Amino acid sequence: QKEVEQDPGPLSVPEGAIVSLNCTYSNSAFQYFMWYRQYSRKGPELLMYTYSSGNKEDGRFTAQVDKSSKYISLFIRDSQPSDSATYLCATYNTNAGKSTFGDGTTLTVKP
Amino acid sequence: GAVVSQHPSRVICKSGTSVKIECRSLDFQATTMFWYRQFPKQSLMLMATSNEGSKATYEQGVEKDKFLINHASLTLSTLTVTSAHPEDSSFYICSARGGPGSGANVLTFGAGSRLTVL
Repeated sequence: QKEVEQDPGPLSVPEGAIVSLNCTYSNSAFQYFMWYRQYSRKGPELLMYTYSSGNKEDGRFTAQVDKSSKYISLFIRDSQPSDSATYLCATYNTNAGKSTFGDGTTLTVKP
Repeated sequence: GAVVSQHPSRVICKSGTSVKIECRSLDFQATTMFWYRQFPKQSLMLMATSNEGSKATYEQGVEKDKFLINHASLTLSTLTVTSAHPEDSSFYICSARGGPGSGANVLTFGAGSRLTVL
């Protein structure tokens, strides 16, 4: 079993839709939870990260973590064609100094 | 913000030749860098952790003699694919931990290098 499982997608939505991207993790030692966005043929870039359970908002993006159920979500409001990319969830274990990535969900937002 | 530059972005080589990929942290010192390999429509596969001034730590199943990593300075790590074969064709991405104002949990990635071995 992978330590971080991510809904594989692909996901296709119309412009303006609300997008929900989800991951689950198995190791309770993970302390940080990140979302990276990767455009085709480019390296990933950090969107946002959270440390504790709850919501964190940045513009149209909201990251949500529920440590009790080991569930990570990223919501995108008013999705735009420029949001079309692969989204990778990731966790970080401070003690191990190690990042673990999900397999990524490819999102297409159609105009 | 932190910037990691990776070069070359694309390289095509003949089977049996060696290829070197450079990863530089432009505005911060990176004692630790990571090398990943990514196949189409798949996630990042960590190959090795590159530590400045010491030997790299390779993940299980990664041949250290095939993928040579050198981290000679705080801003430069290199990955050399030796005697490349077509099955080594892939997208290679480096990353560095931290950076100005960033915690250890944040990775800054290079733009990636697409290697095609003929």
